Amino acid sequence: SQTIHQWPATLVQPVGSPLSLECTVEGTSNPNLYWYRQAAGRGLQLLFYSVGIGQISSEVPQNLSASRPQDRQFILSSKKLLLSDSGFYLCAWSLSGEYGYTFGSGTRLTVV
Amino acid sequence: GDSVTQMEGPVTLSEEAFLTINCTYTATGYPSLFWYVQYPGEGLQLLLKATKADDKGSNKGFEATYRKETTSFHLEKGSVQVSDSAVYFCALLNSGNTPLVFGKGTRLSVIA
Repeated sequence: SQTIHQWPATLVQPVGSPLSLECTVEGTSNPNLYWYRQAAGRGLQLLFYSVGIGQISSEVPQNLSASRPQDRQFILSSKKLLLSDSGFYLCAWSLSGEYGYTFGSGTRLTVV
Repeated sequence: GDSVTQMEGPVTLSEEAFLTINCTYTATGYPSLFWYVQYPGEGLQLLLKATKADDKGSNKGFEATYRKETTSFHLEKGSVQVSDSAVYFCALLNSGNTPLVFGKGTRLSVIA
């Protein structure tokens, strides 16, 4: 069966520090991968999505970036965190969207 | 572009009350429609889906019917439980590789 792993679960980082969040999917090949952010009390904001290795689409211009170095690995990064980067980050995968997405358990990031 | 509008929360109900969370959409073509649920501190889980007009999705006592004539996909449950307390997201997908479009979410609190 397919599983999605996302880590770390919780992270507290100072302003200006770098960020790396990792997401991996097991049990499938060539998934579509997604990064979402959920700010406190707000809805889901799509940050990046990828339909293949090295293919990244950015939805929102900001100081975050994403990479897909392997088929089932999706990394969210920042060189210098801002206070506004605080939030709950969710990774998701799908094969064909009509079957819906499967989400990871999320990373709660607090920038202090 | 495509969009989803769902009722503002929070919604507070007593146990065994009837639940309706309204969701309407704007999209070209014939999208697939979804309801996701997010329990406190967790990622999103697919609750139910419908892929064509007049389809009814159902799961865990929740139901939603795809109404093309009213562009709606309202979520209902006949008798809510405390364990149903969560945030509910309505979403649509218009083609295979384009990302899901989410509504802003509706927080449901069920009190005993």
